[in-house]
Amino acid sequence: AQSVTQLGSHVSVSEGALVLLRCNYSSSVPPYLFWYVQYPNQGLQLLLKYTTGATLVKGINGFEAEFKKSETSFHLTKPSAHMSDAAEYFCAVSEQSGGSYIPTFGRGTSLIVHP
Amino acid sequence: KAGVTQTPRYLIKTRGQQVTLSCSPISGHRSVSWYQQTPGQGLQFLFEYFSETQRNKGNFPGRFSGRQFSNSRSEMNVSTLELGDSALYLCASSPGLAGTNEQFFGPGTRLTVL
Repeated sequence: AQSVTQLGSHVSVSEGALVLLRCNYSSSVPPYLFWYVQYPNQGLQLLLKYTTGATLVKGINGFEAEFKKSETSFHLTKPSAHMSDAAEYFCAVSEQSGGSYIPTFGRGTSLIVHP
Repeated sequence: KAGVTQTPRYLIKTRGQQVTLSCSPISGHRSVSWYQQTPGQGLQFLFEYFSETQRNKGNFPGRFSGRQFSNSRSEMNVSTLELGDSALYLCASSPGLAGTNEQFFGPGTRLTVL
């Protein structure tokens, strides 16, 4: 079964600092990869998605993620954190199983941004 | 376009009761998925419906069931509620199958079982 690991349940950065949220998965074949963000009392919103092609994926709000097949990783980065980036971030991986793709989500990483 | 709506937003039930949650997807979306979100387990996939057919099912007991109507609206039912069913239940719609497409999430229904 697919597993998704997000290292660090909480990540704290200063405003203006680099944001790095880590995601590793267990799939042995290239899956579909997603990052979602959840603000308090709201549903999840897609930040970016990788299917095939370029391994560096650009998303909304200045976020990007790089697919590294050899490391089975899909880390999320943003060069400069903003206070409004404080939220819960989820990595999701879809792997084919029995003809269907079922999304598996990581446990989430809470991003805290200090002024 | 209106987003995904879920009703009710909050629900309090007692053990042994049953509950039905409702989800209205974005217009034109044929896939509706349900997730259970808890602090301990994170987001766990319950099931996905596409054009009124259950396409995929997660690892949950048979007390959790769902259905989708011809207008793509979906309901989820939990029978014989247990304390551990307390969670935020999220519905997500997608123009195609959930595993390969962007999912649009509703705000969730907060279920508390006493």
